[in-house]
Amino acid sequence: DAGITQSPRHKVTETGTPVTLRCHQTENHRYMYWYRQDPGHGLRLIHYSYGVKDTDKGEVSDGYSVSRSKTEDFLLTLESATSSQTSVYFCASRGEWDGYTFGSGTRLTVV
Amino acid sequence: KQEVTQIPAALSVPEGENLVLNCSFTDSAIYNLQWFRQDPGKGLTSLLLIQSSQREQTSGRLNASLDKSSGRSTLYIAASQPGDSATYLCAAVNYGGSQGNLIFGKGTKLSVKP
Repeated sequence: DAGITQSPRHKVTETGTPVTLRCHQTENHRYMYWYRQDPGHGLRLIHYSYGVKDTDKGEVSDGYSVSRSKTEDFLLTLESATSSQTSVYFCASRGEWDGYTFGSGTRLTVV
Repeated sequence: KQEVTQIPAALSVPEGENLVLNCSFTDSAIYNLQWFRQDPGKGLTSLLLIQSSQREQTSGRLNASLDKSSGRSTLYIAASQPGDSATYLCAAVNYGGSQGNLIFGKGTKLSVKP
């Protein structure tokens, strides 16, 4: 029933490997976001999108890239995973006048 | 730069108490403010959204207020229950459109004891 789903839910990867996290929304929302959540730092914005193929950097974008080829899908890629990227990643979406809706998160461990 | 602060960081109350969670923000030019709940190991669930033109929103036992002039929002929980135990996050949006990114506080961890 969730309007926004993330995959995978959990992932363990090795340092130096590329990793792609997926976010899919069925709300036809224009705006989509990737956040990471870390103890002591709270939630911080990585990248966001304001339309198909329109993306921009957030507060902590180094080492990450994103792509949005369809309204419903927003991908986050860790180009070469590092231990500092071990975190819980949340995707969110919103419409023009709506509040934010969040996915259930992806727990990523880089070893 | 907008900064959002939530005090206290943790709160423990007996069941049945009415309680207030506080959120303050530094930039009063706010577009809207949203309260979320997060259970351990789970995602964020939206509780209430207050637009800049509104002063409060209510949903069941929850009431959130917004005072832009003082840079404060409060979340009031009536007749608290053990099921209310969670972390409550406040987040501010300064702009609409493509610049409307959420700025989060670090949350208040609420524990309601039976």
